[in-house]
Amino acid sequence: AQKITQTQPGMFVQEKEAVTLDCTYDTSDPSYGLFWYKQPSSGEMIFLIYQGSYDQQNATEGRYSLNFQKARKSANLVISASQLGDSAMYFCAMREVYSSASKIIFGSGTRLSIRP
Amino acid sequence: DGGITQSPKYLFRKEGQNVTLSCEQNLNHDAMYWYRQDPGQGLRLIYYSQIVNDFQKGDIAEGYSVSREKKESFPLTVTSAQKNPTAFYLCASLSPGRTPYNEQFFGPGTRLTVL
Repeated sequence: AQKITQTQPGMFVQEKEAVTLDCTYDTSDPSYGLFWYKQPSSGEMIFLIYQGSYDQQNATEGRYSLNFQKARKSANLVISASQLGDSAMYFCAMREVYSSASKIIFGSGTRLSIRP
Repeated sequence: DGGITQSPKYLFRKEGQNVTLSCEQNLNHDAMYWYRQDPGQGLRLIYYSQIVNDFQKGDIAEGYSVSREKKESFPLTVTSAQKNPTAFYLCASLSPGRTPYNEQFFGPGTRLTVL
């Protein structure tokens, strides 16, 4: 069964520092996708970055990069040069292609707080 | 602009009453989802639908019901059988295709409070 684990309930980081948010997953499906979403206090879900299980390179989107270690089943989000506006909840999510094609599950989230 | 709308934004309900949350999308997506989020917690899947007139239970379907009569609409009814319905409810849809990358689009959410 698919499972997503985020072990950091909350993190405090100084502005302009880099931060890594952890995510591990479990699946028996050979084809899957991993997503990261940001949820500010308004509640909206903002898509940040995607990594496919067959992608050879780690995904990057501006200040966001995904440290994908397939053998370890981890997909950590790295935010470089953090900003005050990065303070939010961050969720890791996974979608399996074959075993449950349309089902996407989420981790419990990490609350990131950026200190000025 | 294409997107997902949810209404109302805030909803108050008395105990013992059923209430229906609306979700509409104009993205032409086949798959739609309902998630529940409790304060400080992650998203838990209630129901999802891959095509019209078909839907599957998620992890926490008890006390909820859905229908999918039209591709654009996926309303969620919170019944009186749901013991603790106060939560934030998010509707989402998924772009078509059986590939790993299908971005899930979210609506703005409905905050339900039981008085």
